[in-house]
Amino acid sequence: GNSVTQMEGPVTLSEEAFLTINCTYTATGYPSLFWYVQYPGEGLQLLLKATKADDKGSNKGFEATYRKETTSFHLEKGSVQVSDSAVYFCALKNTGNQFYFGTGTSLTVIP
Amino acid sequence: GAVVSQHPSWVICKSGTSVKIECRSLDFQATTMFWYRQFPKQSLMLMATSNEGSKATYEQGVEKDKFLINHASLTLSTLTVTSAHPEDSSFYICSGSRNRETQYFGPGTRLLVL
Repeated sequence: GNSVTQMEGPVTLSEEAFLTINCTYTATGYPSLFWYVQYPGEGLQLLLKATKADDKGSNKGFEATYRKETTSFHLEKGSVQVSDSAVYFCALKNTGNQFYFGTGTSLTVIP
Repeated sequence: GAVVSQHPSWVICKSGTSVKIECRSLDFQATTMFWYRQFPKQSLMLMATSNEGSKATYEQGVEKDKFLINHASLTLSTLTVTSAHPEDSSFYICSGSRNRETQYFGPGTRLLVL
């Protein structure tokens, strides 16, 4: 079946710290992988995506690489800011266009 | 960007009553809308997929007579929780898609059934 597992939060970091949020998946076929972000009081927004193995998605300083051999899509950012405080969701889309989400990881960045 | 709104943002109702949640795509036509449900500290779970003008497709285990979905126009879909009970209390999120490749999510509606 299809599923996504991401690290549990909450995660609290100081400004300018390095961020990693782990995400692994189980899928049949060749899924596309996504990271969505949800800021307080807002809907989920697409942060980045990768559609095939070894692709790297990047946006706003965040990066994630589609690793087929380890079935992972870890989110990283070299230097977080207070404005990055949000909940981050890892997701996969299978060949049937259905999305499967992780449980979300809450990130708080303190000045 | 594409914006999706939901109304209400939160609702409290008595057990046995019905609650309607609206999902609107504000600046694009959503040929497909999705309804998700999220329990605390759990994943978003897809409940149903609806295409404008046709009946919704429900995921396994979701009662279609309990969760009525209407997608009457390209900018509006509604989810009605009929005869709500406390176990229906949850966070309901909709999303709209133009081409099924990218989904644009609403901010969610929190339902509490007393």
